[in-house]
Amino acid sequence: GQNIDQPTEMTATEGAIVQINCTYQTSGFNGLFWYQQHAGEAPTFLSYNVLDGLEEKGRFSSFLSRSKGYSYLLLKELQMKDSASYLCAVRDLGYQLIWGAGTKLIIKP
Amino acid sequence: DAGVTQSPTHLIKTRGQHVTLRCSPISGHKSVSWYQQVLGQGPQFIFQYYEKEERGRGNFPDRFSARQFPNYSSELNVNALLLGDSALYLCASSFRATNNSPLHFGNGTRLTVT
Repeated sequence: GQNIDQPTEMTATEGAIVQINCTYQTSGFNGLFWYQQHAGEAPTFLSYNVLDGLEEKGRFSSFLSRSKGYSYLLLKELQMKDSASYLCAVRDLGYQLIWGAGTKLIIKP
Repeated sequence: DAGVTQSPTHLIKTRGQHVTLRCSPISGHKSVSWYQQVLGQGPQFIFQYYEKEERGRGNFPDRFSARQFPNYSSELNVNALLLGDSALYLCASSFRATNNSPLHFGNGTRLTVT
């Protein structure tokens, strides 16, 4: 079966750094996406990884290891507005997106 | 540029009724996907359409159907509604139906079945 695992909830302090992990087991791999979703809103695209390594985009970075079926999203200089759910999604051989349940990130002052 | 637009934003139906949800993709996007999201879970894939043809179908019963129109807008239809169909229904568009084409989501339709 296809499975994506993320921690359910994480807490971090404003100004700090947090790493959200994602492990996956899917029928093939055609890329991994990270999305941010604020409560009651639609998911918004953050990053895309298809090759091993780190992709950096401002305060957000995403890492992929295909051999380990592992990715993480790194958020630096945390701001209160970063409080949201972070969703990991993998595109499988059929080009469909398989989604994790999301990690709720709580930022404290 | 307008983003993905969905209508209606909220809807209340009773069991056994049917519902039609509508989606207009970002201008120039030819692929539209539908997802169901239950509170506390990630989106579950329902359908994908590209150039008006069905490209994929998730593990949903035949009560769920969809279509894409020549202008690339799309409708999701659900018949014989069940209480368990209560969820946020998200439409997403992308330029292509391929690997690195990110999905752009609309704000969703919140469906409540009573």
